[in-house]
Amino acid sequence: KAGVTQTPRYLIKTRGQQVTLSCSPISGHRSVSWYQQTPGQGLQFLFEYFSETQRNKGNFPGRFSGRQFSNSRSEMNVSTLELGDSALYLCASSLEVQQLGREQFFGPGTRLTVL
Amino acid sequence: GENVEQHPSTLSVQEGDSAVIKCTYSDSASNYFPWYKQELGKGPQLIIDIRSNVGEKKDQRIAVTLNKTAKHFSLHITETQPEDSAVYFCAASTWNYGQNFVFGPGTRLSVLP
Repeated sequence: KAGVTQTPRYLIKTRGQQVTLSCSPISGHRSVSWYQQTPGQGLQFLFEYFSETQRNKGNFPGRFSGRQFSNSRSEMNVSTLELGDSALYLCASSLEVQQLGREQFFGPGTRLTVL
Repeated sequence: GENVEQHPSTLSVQEGDSAVIKCTYSDSASNYFPWYKQELGKGPQLIIDIRSNVGEKKDQRIAVTLNKTAKHFSLHITETQPEDSAVYFCAASTWNYGQNFVFGPGTRLSVLP
């Protein structure tokens, strides 16, 4: 079974631009979560999508948004990029069989550099 | 909200020795505790997890223990090998109409040959 895939793997943008990152979950997984990973802040939760609906949201500004399609693929968008948005953006998918904890599997991430 | 602390931040052990990483959490509603291993240039890989209705779980050289009363859980790696060198993250999760994971800051484990 193919794992979580993310595209592109690397991205360089300049301040003020916007960017869209893509994530394809493991086949059959309906929950997709996004995380930002930086050396200073570690792994921080951005948002979670399930059945095309945002179900949970972390503490990030409105410049960060996302969506999920009917095939469970997800995109996240960052508008008006700032230097501090440089990070590894990770997507994780989950099967969600039961509420008592669900295994979450990560993709390789997209390395975003903002110049 | 939930807060997860992790210690130590770096750990060096000799090959064949054991390594222990400890995490504490603050939200008593947390009920799922996974551990991830992240190698350079890769995404975190789930290596073991434990749910709040279990006190201990083992998978070959890796084990995790959970103390709900004290709100802490630990990762134990025995017979360490150089390929165990990586950054390890613990996390705590609650169910609140959806998944909500909070990660610890990570432990960089170096296994010296």
